Amino acid sequence: AQTVTQSQPEMSVQEAETVTLSCTYDTSESDYYLFWYKQPPSRQMILVIRQEAYKQQNATENRFSVNFQKAAKSFSLKISDSQLGDAAMYFCAYRSSDQTGANNLFFGTGTRLTVIP
Amino acid sequence: EAQVTQNPRYLITVTGKKLTVTCSQNMNHEYMSWYRQDPGLGLRQIYYSMNVEVTDKGDVPEGYKVSRKEKRNFPLILESPSPNQTSLYFCASRQTGKYSNQPQHFGDGTRLSIL
Repeated sequence: AQTVTQSQPEMSVQEAETVTLSCTYDTSESDYYLFWYKQPPSRQMILVIRQEAYKQQNATENRFSVNFQKAAKSFSLKISDSQLGDAAMYFCAYRSSDQTGANNLFFGTGTRLTVIP
Repeated sequence: EAQVTQNPRYLITVTGKKLTVTCSQNMNHEYMSWYRQDPGLGLRQIYYSMNVEVTDKGDVPEGYKVSRKEKRNFPLILESPSPNQTSLYFCASRQTGKYSNQPQHFGDGTRLSIL
């Protein structure tokens, strides 16, 4: 199984400020997908952003962007202009892109983000 | 609306009483999967299915069974539940093949408490 590591169990950020959540992963593959999921108190798993490893350009979705460092196997999430609604548990996840395999999704242990008004 | 539907959303039961958590998707996805979420451990895969009648173990399959008789349904069965199976469970589905780059769709979760 692939290993995904989120070394920050908890983070906090002041409203309107910027915060970065860390994620590293271990793989021997060259092509794969990386995801950030948000889980608010409602428990839903909401896709925030995804990155395809063959793309050098960092993915961006509105206030959310990633810093993808393939050689370092690092995939951090930056949230700009933090809002109260960003408070949630955030999970980093990895999936192989090999179409011949099951390509299961492997998750990190999560980072709980608190937004301070 | 494209969705993955899990039932029940909440269940409190007792040790040893067989239970089934249903999962149904309306997107004609080949791949379906079950996860459990525990504090400090993230989501861990229990079982997955690549298509009808094709199932395989994930990372934590002990104490669980699944079946995939129809493409849309992938029930999770706990034959003899124990307290260590108290957890939050998620079902998910996605396409395979040339559309396998699409992300998974998740159900809303099922909170199981085994007393």
